[in-house]
Amino acid sequence: NAGVTQTPKFQVLKTGQSMTLQCAQDMNHEYMSWYRQDPGMGLRLIHYSVGAGITDQGEVPNGYNVSRSTTEDFPLRLLSAAPSQTSVYFCASSYFRLPGTDTQYFGPGTRLTVL
Amino acid sequence: AQKITQTQPGMFVQEKEAVTLDCTYDTSDPSYGLFWYKQPSSGEMIFLIYQGSYDQQNATEGRYSLNFQKARKSANLVISASQLGDSAMYFCAMRGLVSGNTPLVFGKGTRLSVIA
Repeated sequence: NAGVTQTPKFQVLKTGQSMTLQCAQDMNHEYMSWYRQDPGMGLRLIHYSVGAGITDQGEVPNGYNVSRSTTEDFPLRLLSAAPSQTSVYFCASSYFRLPGTDTQYFGPGTRLTVL
Repeated sequence: AQKITQTQPGMFVQEKEAVTLDCTYDTSDPSYGLFWYKQPSSGEMIFLIYQGSYDQQNATEGRYSLNFQKARKSANLVISASQLGDSAMYFCAMRGLVSGNTPLVFGKGTRLSVIA
């Protein structure tokens, strides 16, 4: 298993540009989520999905879109990048609502800088 | 809603000593899971240990143990025999297991530095 993969590892954008952060998992996990990590803030949830075709907002969803057309993939779209979106982005996946098996596995992260 | 509080921004420990990282939580879910993750300077998030609220015994994984005190709503991580490689950020997290789609909520983390 490759686990959770994210691309790209690093990205620099100019204000106003759009882009998509890719996330894929090969563990047949129902649950996938996106977090952003800023210094001193821990990880904050952006969007999550409990299965194909189902998504919901997390704590900080503004400026981001997601879709879940397959179990494996959960891309995160930045519609019009802003400097405030400079952060490290983590994708995670897990089984869902199975106590003891709901550990989330994280991708390696994408470091995004918006100039 | 869930909330995690980690009150120690940074901790120092001597190599080979034990250290406790504090975590308190708040939730209205009667059933929930508690997690600890390690984030070394390389940036990846590494799962360490899991405790279910329904578990009678404290979880252990090698040198990691979770001191779970349900009445006090605390889930402290104990690392025994600290090693230099334990220097990292440590995050406590939780999710509800009953009321709908409850994602994982993280604390702000504790930076542990192990001194030789």
